[in-house]
Amino acid sequence: RKEVEQDPGPFNVPEGATVAFNCTYSNSASQSFFWYRQDCRKEPKLLMSVYSSGNEDGRFTAQLNRASQYISLLIRDSKLSDSATYLCVVNKGDSSYKLIFGSGTRLLVRP
Amino acid sequence: DTGVSQDPRHKITKRGQNVTFRCDPISEHNRLYWYRQTLGQGPEFLTYFQNEAQLEKSRLLSDRFSAERPKGSFSTLEIQRTEQGDSAMYLCASSLGTAEQYFGPGTRLTVT
Repeated sequence: RKEVEQDPGPFNVPEGATVAFNCTYSNSASQSFFWYRQDCRKEPKLLMSVYSSGNEDGRFTAQLNRASQYISLLIRDSKLSDSATYLCVVNKGDSSYKLIFGSGTRLLVRP
Repeated sequence: DTGVSQDPRHKITKRGQNVTFRCDPISEHNRLYWYRQTLGQGPEFLTYFQNEAQLEKSRLLSDRFSAERPKGSFSTLEIQRTEQGDSAMYLCASSLGTAEQYFGPGTRLTVT
């Protein structure tokens, strides 16, 4: 079983739609949680950190449920430029803070 | 540009050759991480440094791989006797302590 599991998609949505991604992680010792965005053949870029209280950044809302080991990302009013792969990421939970990535969920926003 | 930089961006090599990649982290960042990403997968951890000390190596890092960060600034990753299975994107990331990691553009390696 992978340490971080995500639905690979693709999610194909029209502009303006609301779309939600979920992921689960297996390591209860993980302390930091993130969503990264990756465009085709580019490096991952930090989209947002995820906190237990939930957090919002413009059209993006992230939620963390530690008890269920579940992380979500909600994108409202989707733009064409949101088309990318969204990577759910947790840290290992040891002193290294190395990142454990899911395989990513692909989002396609159509006109 | 004050972000993480990597060189070269692309490398094509023949099986059996040695290759070396360089990463320059964000200047004040004391931690530097190497990851490898293959098509359709998320990046996987290879190794990391805190200042000049290499603190952990993944089991993915066979004896053919070596990494250095001699002065606690830039880092190099060398692969000896490359194999086709080494073809991947090699990503470097840096952080200030345990804060968020920021990635460089990667080096795409193709072994023919």
